[in-house]
Amino acid sequence: DTGVSQNPRHKITKRGQNVTFRCDPISEHNRLYWYRQTLGQGPEFLTYFQNEAQLEKSRLLSDRFSAERPKGSFSTLEIQRTEQGDSAMYLCASSLGMNTGELFFGEGSRLTVL
Amino acid sequence: QKEVEQNSGPLSVPEGAIASLNCTYSDRGSQSFFWYRQYSGKSPELIMSIYSNGDKEDGRFTAQLNKASQYVSLLIRDSQPSDSATYLCAVEGSARQLTFGSGTQLTVLP
Repeated sequence: DTGVSQNPRHKITKRGQNVTFRCDPISEHNRLYWYRQTLGQGPEFLTYFQNEAQLEKSRLLSDRFSAERPKGSFSTLEIQRTEQGDSAMYLCASSLGMNTGELFFGEGSRLTVL
Repeated sequence: QKEVEQNSGPLSVPEGAIASLNCTYSDRGSQSFFWYRQYSGKSPELIMSIYSNGDKEDGRFTAQLNKASQYVSLLIRDSQPSDSATYLCAVEGSARQLTFGSGTQLTVLP
C-alpha cells in the first residue's frame, strides 16, 4: 500500500493524558499536513511541513499541540494534557512539489477524550 | 465571516439530474481552488482542481471559477447514487495551506 498511513486509527483517553499520533506520507511527497475535523465541519488546518521544516502553524493551535517530522519522513502529532474539546478526527495529508493543494489524505486517527 | 462558505444542505437530487454545489471565499488573493468528496466515515479525496476563471470539465464533473465574484461551483451531470457524499470546497491561501468549507451534503435519490 503506497497511500498515507496513520496510526492508531482510534484512541480513547482520559482527560489530562498525553496522546501521540503518527503519519507516514506517500514516500516521494515532500509536504505533510495535519488537519482536524469534527462532525459536520470541514477539515481545519493545524500545521504543515516541507521536508523536515515546519513552515506554518495555525494561530488557533494551542501550545498543548506539537508536531515533528524528523528527517522529512514520518510525522508525529502530540497532544499534551488532553481536553474533551480535543475529541476529533485528526487527518494527515501529503502532497508533492508544486501541486500543494492536491492533498492525499490518510484514513485519520479518531481521538475520544473522556 | 467564514473564509470559505458553502450551503450545508442537505441537497437532494433525483438520479440522472444535475447537482449544483456552490462556494464563496473571502481572500481575493487566492489562486487555487479545489473540490474534495468525502463519503461518510471516510477521508476527503480530491476530485477537481481549478486555477483560472472559467469552466473545467472532467467526465461528469465541471468546476466553474469566477474570481471577480469570489465564487466557485461544482456541477455533477447525470448524478448517480454513488455520488451521494459531502462535497468540500477548499481554497489555497498565500501560505500554501488549504482552507476548507464546512461541506455540502448531497444525496442522489434512485
